[in-house]
Amino acid sequence: QLLESGGGLVEPGGSLRLSCAASGFTFSIYAMGWVRQAPGKGLEWVSSISGSGGSGDSYHTDSVRGRFSISRDNSRNTLYLQMNSLRAEDTAVYYCAKHYTTSPNNWFDPWGQGTLVTVSS
Amino acid sequence: ETVMTQSPATLSVSPRERATLSCRASQSVNTNLAWYQQKPGQAPRLLIYAASTRATGIPARFSGSGSGTEFTLTISSLQSEDFAVYYCQQYNDWWTFGQGTKVEIK
Repeated sequence: QLLESGGGLVEPGGSLRLSCAASGFTFSIYAMGWVRQAPGKGLEWVSSISGSGGSGDSYHTDSVRGRFSISRDNSRNTLYLQMNSLRAEDTAVYYCAKHYTTSPNNWFDPWGQGTLVTVSS
Repeated sequence: ETVMTQSPATLSVSPRERATLSCRASQSVNTNLAWYQQKPGQAPRLLIYAASTRATGIPARFSGSGSGTEFTLTISSLQSEDFAVYYCQQYNDWWTFGQGTKVEIK
């Protein structure tokens, strides 16, 4: 099970940290990712991180690179997404999702229920 | 970036009829392709991975096929619970999703 938290309303230029608490599986051996969905739109991959979470094992889509940072605390079974310099176009439901293996080069299953981030003044 | 294009955008189908959804990649993704189902207000659910392998618990009426750049999701006999939006996703070259196909009741 994956449970996201941390979403809310934030002004443009602000910051927010999302969390995803995992249970029911051995968190540390699976890569994890974030996928977002703007209101009424499709799915967009945002970030992924390997099971070990090493500094060279995280990936971000171009539109968020340098602003967002994915990380994980395997001792707490928790995934994070630190979002800085937020823009209106970052408004979306953010889903946490588990990859199939310790490496993220595969599909997402399962997904959390999502947390809504709204960037507006 | 590998761009995924799904067609049609909307598919109107009667219950118990067959639905065929298409997904095209801008470059070869081999068989590194997944399909997801999303109902309103819900998170996506994995249906198919590796282009043709059904995920755990997915009914046999769902089948996937294709390789390279052309892929198909077939629902052999639509049930009421199958009316939803379907997304393809490639994981050969980073991760990208198609824009979705909405399957609606005819």
